Amino acid sequence: TQLLEQSPQFLSIQEGENLTVYCNSSSVFSSLQWYRQEPGEGPVLLVTVVTGGEVKKLKRLTFQFGDARKDSSLHITAAQPGDTGLYLCAGEVMTGSQGNLIFGKGTKLSVKP
Amino acid sequence: DSGVTQTPKHLITATGQRVTLRCSPRSGDLSVYWYQQSLDQGLQFLIQYYNGEERAKGNILERFSAQQFPDLHSELNLSSLELGDSALYFCASSVSLSGRGTDTQYFGPGTRLTVL
Repeated sequence: TQLLEQSPQFLSIQEGENLTVYCNSSSVFSSLQWYRQEPGEGPVLLVTVVTGGEVKKLKRLTFQFGDARKDSSLHITAAQPGDTGLYLCAGEVMTGSQGNLIFGKGTKLSVKP
Repeated sequence: DSGVTQTPKHLITATGQRVTLRCSPRSGDLSVYWYQQSLDQGLQFLIQYYNGEERAKGNILERFSAQQFPDLHSELNLSSLELGDSALYFCASSVSLSGRGTDTQYFGPGTRLTVL
């Protein structure tokens, strides 16, 4: 059974601080995605990383895929209240040509003004 | 707005009952995915349909079933409901059939099911 462990589970910080959240597994994934989910809404895709060691930047968000494609991190610089939400990582598992996403339970981030 | 619509937004029912959740995918998307999100299990993939055909199955209980109609909307049927079925149910859609992580899935706003 593939599992994705996310840490920390909860994070409460002040505006302007930096933070990193982690997504770890013992399984290798074909790709990994990060989503943000706000209350009352569905997850929204932030980024997909495919290559081991890949780093992608989205404004103040930096995403890294581990060299072995088993783990990933999301770093937010100078967090803002608008960054508040549930951050989910999802690893892609292949069965033949069919892919399925395995989600972690998420990191709930609260950024206080 | 993802372009995926789900109805109803909230549903309250009793144990043993049957409910139907509805999803309309984004225009042009042929794949529909159903997910269940609960506090203890997180977001779990249930089933995928592509252009009316079942494509992939995840952790879907036998009491649950789904179908995709010729107009591409999909319904998730939950029967013999138990307290533990209380959760958020999300539908997502994408263009391709592969379910690949590189094929963006667009999620609807979800249906919150409460079983009393």
